[in-house]
Amino acid sequence: NAGVTQTPKFRVLKTGQSMTLLCAQDMNHEYMYWYRQDPGMGLRLIHYSVGEGTTAKGEVPDGYNVSRLKKQNFLLGLESAAPSQTSVYFCASSVRGPPYGYTFGSGTRLTVV
Amino acid sequence: DAKTTQPPSMDCAEGRAANLPCNHSTISGNEYVYWYRQIHSQGPQYIIHGLKNNETNEMASLIITEDRKSSTLILPHATLRDTAVYYCIVSLLTGGGNKLTFGTGTQLKVEL
Repeated sequence: NAGVTQTPKFRVLKTGQSMTLLCAQDMNHEYMYWYRQDPGMGLRLIHYSVGEGTTAKGEVPDGYNVSRLKKQNFLLGLESAAPSQTSVYFCASSVRGPPYGYTFGSGTRLTVV
Repeated sequence: DAKTTQPPSMDCAEGRAANLPCNHSTISGNEYVYWYRQIHSQGPQYIIHGLKNNETNEMASLIITEDRKSSTLILPHATLRDTAVYYCIVSLLTGGGNKLTFGTGTQLKVEL
């Protein structure tokens, strides 16, 4: 039982390049989330999804796009990477209903040069 | 969502209880209190949550004051592996997803 898997774990991009971060969960969770974490700061919500085919903006959505074509996958895209997007990105999932906890992935460390 | 206030850092001797406080004076009646921790640079890990009553699980105990304006996470016998950043979060469960807002938390250092 893998839980939440994020790929890749590390990536270096040049300014202006694009990439997609993949989050996959095998727990049949309805809700999925993308967060970013910068040094000395807490996690900030980028986008989230409450079900297959749905997405919504979080606290810091600018510069990112997401898609949830399959229930188990949640993709985070950077169309034109900027140095300000250098961060650690965490994906999480949770069930719908009672306030059960999030399950987080191990993170993707992205550097934009 | 209500805002939370936590001390930036705490120390605890191994084997002793670690008591991590959290103030959430603007909490509303249907908001839950959640605790997560983040060890080094790993993804945060869910610890426990509560609404009104005290809660206990295999990891920790959560004590919520009667007026719900503050809470304490208790790690009964702290070990070196409990060194982490601990986040106290207050959040509603809504039909639009249970979105949690993570502050900067409390850095707990467990020492010999």
